[in-house]
Amino acid sequence: SAVISQKPSRDICQRGTSLTIQCQVDSQVTMMFWYRQQPGQSLTLIATANQGSEATYESGFVIDKFPISRPNLTFSTLTVSNMSPEDSSIYLCSEGTGATDTQYFGPGTRLTVL
Amino acid sequence: GENVEQHPSTLSVQEGDSAVIKCTYSDSASNYFPWYKQELGKGPQLIIDIRSNVGEKKDQRIAVTLNKTAKHFSLHITETQPEDSAVYFCAANAGGTSYGKLTFGQGTILTVHP
Repeated sequence: SAVISQKPSRDICQRGTSLTIQCQVDSQVTMMFWYRQQPGQSLTLIATANQGSEATYESGFVIDKFPISRPNLTFSTLTVSNMSPEDSSIYLCSEGTGATDTQYFGPGTRLTVL
Repeated sequence: GENVEQHPSTLSVQEGDSAVIKCTYSDSASNYFPWYKQELGKGPQLIIDIRSNVGEKKDQRIAVTLNKTAKHFSLHITETQPEDSAVYFCAANAGGTSYGKLTFGQGTILTVHP
């Protein structure tokens, strides 16, 4: 599996601000995904980051709130915009081949919004 | 869409005992079922997975069984050790053409007492 890193590992932000989370994979991968894990909860898929085109968002998530970029096959960013305390979560990126559905996760970004 | 139910939500065992976690899924098109282990402060780690063309898969102390007819799959950990203590998540893919999309169960907090 590829090695995945995320920056920042954690952050504390004020409401109304935005935070951009970076996800770097050490090899080219077909698919990259972004998940949210609310405190004590399971993982929920936010969107699939598509290289060279707009991300595909899941129901309940919109581009204005969670803009995503994927400029190449090894890197993606997720921005959490106009944050509120309800956005306090762990944000995880993952990579997959698509053909096998196997996914590997990064270490996560722990976000606290005050 | 896919719905995955996971039980129990918490599981406490003595070191050396076996632990079993069960999941059910709703989408008959799902054909890939991974299990993840998440330790405190870390991202989910893929520990074992199974595809719908097999009924059981083993990897040392860990095994997964799949019953496609009943749409349920289970994780079995034998000879548990304190380092097995973590949150375990099951997942199922969306099947069909939705490559890479995973739906997660609610998680099981496993505690192994020395």
